[in-house]
Amino acid sequence: AQSVAQPEDQVNVAEGNPLTVKCTYSVSGNPYLFWYVQYPNRGLQFLLKYITGDNLVKGSYGFEAEFNKSQTSFHLKKPSALVSDSALYFCAVRDIRAAGNKLTFGGGTRVLVKP
Amino acid sequence: GAGVSQSPSNKVTEKGKDVELRCDPISGHTALYWYRQRLGQGLEFLIYFQGNSAPDKSGLPSDRFSAERTGESVSTLTIQRTQQEDSAVYLCASTPNTGGTETQYFGPGTRLLVL
Repeated sequence: AQSVAQPEDQVNVAEGNPLTVKCTYSVSGNPYLFWYVQYPNRGLQFLLKYITGDNLVKGSYGFEAEFNKSQTSFHLKKPSALVSDSALYFCAVRDIRAAGNKLTFGGGTRVLVKP
Repeated sequence: GAGVSQSPSNKVTEKGKDVELRCDPISGHTALYWYRQRLGQGLEFLIYFQGNSAPDKSGLPSDRFSAERTGESVSTLTIQRTQQEDSAVYLCASTPNTGGTETQYFGPGTRLLVL
């Protein structure tokens, strides 16, 4: 079975400060990990993914995430948050040993960046 | 190019009625996924179409839910005898092929309200 946890329902940060959105996962094999962002009344937009290779993955809009196998984490980070980063963020995982390609999503973390 | 499109964008129906939701994947994408997102929650996998293979229906919550896809084109999700608990945003995604590392590209969703 595969599962994802996003322990924070909401993260508040001041504009210009670093932003971190936490994600931990559980899989029986090795994971493929994804981050998506959802703006109000819009679908999910892909930010970045970890498949293999470097643990630090860089993605869209200045976001990056670090894969940490020992801590089973894949936290999303941005060095300097913008007000426009305010949105709902989802972490997702797929176990490479699992049949089928469906993703398991976390419950989402709402990010509020204040001016 | 065009992304994933879904119609209608909003649907209000009465309890007990049937509804059909449509998804047009990105042209040439082999795999297509349906998810449900209840208010304030993460995405729940419903069904996955993988080319000409049998679909993975493991996420369908009841026999009132069904989906079809003709070849590699349009998919229709049908909910029969709708219940208030079916109220949610229904999201569709597609990927170029069935490889597990593929990024899923999402449509804007259909917001369903069952009165």
